[in-house]
Amino acid sequence: NAGVMQNPRHLVRRRGQEARLRCSPMKGHSHVYWYRQLPEEGLKFMVYLQKENIIDESGMPKERFSAEFPKEGPSILRIQQVVRGDSAAYFCASLGIAGQPQHFGDGTRLSIL
Amino acid sequence: ILNVEQSPQSLHVQEGDSTNFTCSFPSSNFYALHWYRWETAKSPEALFVMTLNGDEKKKGRISATLNTKEGYSYLYIKGSQPEDSATYLCASNAGGTSYGKLTFGQGTILTVHP
Repeated sequence: NAGVMQNPRHLVRRRGQEARLRCSPMKGHSHVYWYRQLPEEGLKFMVYLQKENIIDESGMPKERFSAEFPKEGPSILRIQQVVRGDSAAYFCASLGIAGQPQHFGDGTRLSIL
Repeated sequence: ILNVEQSPQSLHVQEGDSTNFTCSFPSSNFYALHWYRWETAKSPEALFVMTLNGDEKKKGRISATLNTKEGYSYLYIKGSQPEDSATYLCASNAGGTSYGKLTFGQGTILTVHP
């Protein structure tokens, strides 16, 4: 049973470009979470999605950031018009049933030139 | 306690030593406490999910306890080995549901010297 798959592992963008980060949850998991680790900081929650629905986006910046988890395909975290401050490691986690831990992917390291 | 806090920030021990570290979390609206082990360039690996006051869980040489009334959890490693070197994260899952977001502490960086 494959774990949480994130791609790409590393992504380099220039200021003003768009970044798309993908996350395929573990098989059978319908709950997806995105977390961000800024340099020298801990993991911070961004958004929680459950198949086609955003359940909690309280940690997501109000502008330029969006997330989706379509019926078919991976969850996508999209950052428009990236700025230097978006440089971070972005982690996705998935959850199957209540009481179990969230399972994390290896993350996408985003660097903005 | 408003945030999840871990102490110490880092710890150096010798191989064979036993060690423990602390996680403090808001006790109001608590649902579950998670411990993860995180090695550099890898994904965080789940160790324990704990929900009940007084709960104690064990996995090999690693064990954890939970006090939900006072809002703290301890992680113990018995007979530390160099391969135990990692960052240990705790996270609180509040809001009355296990599907909610995790609020992480800053982590304790453990280095075990041979």
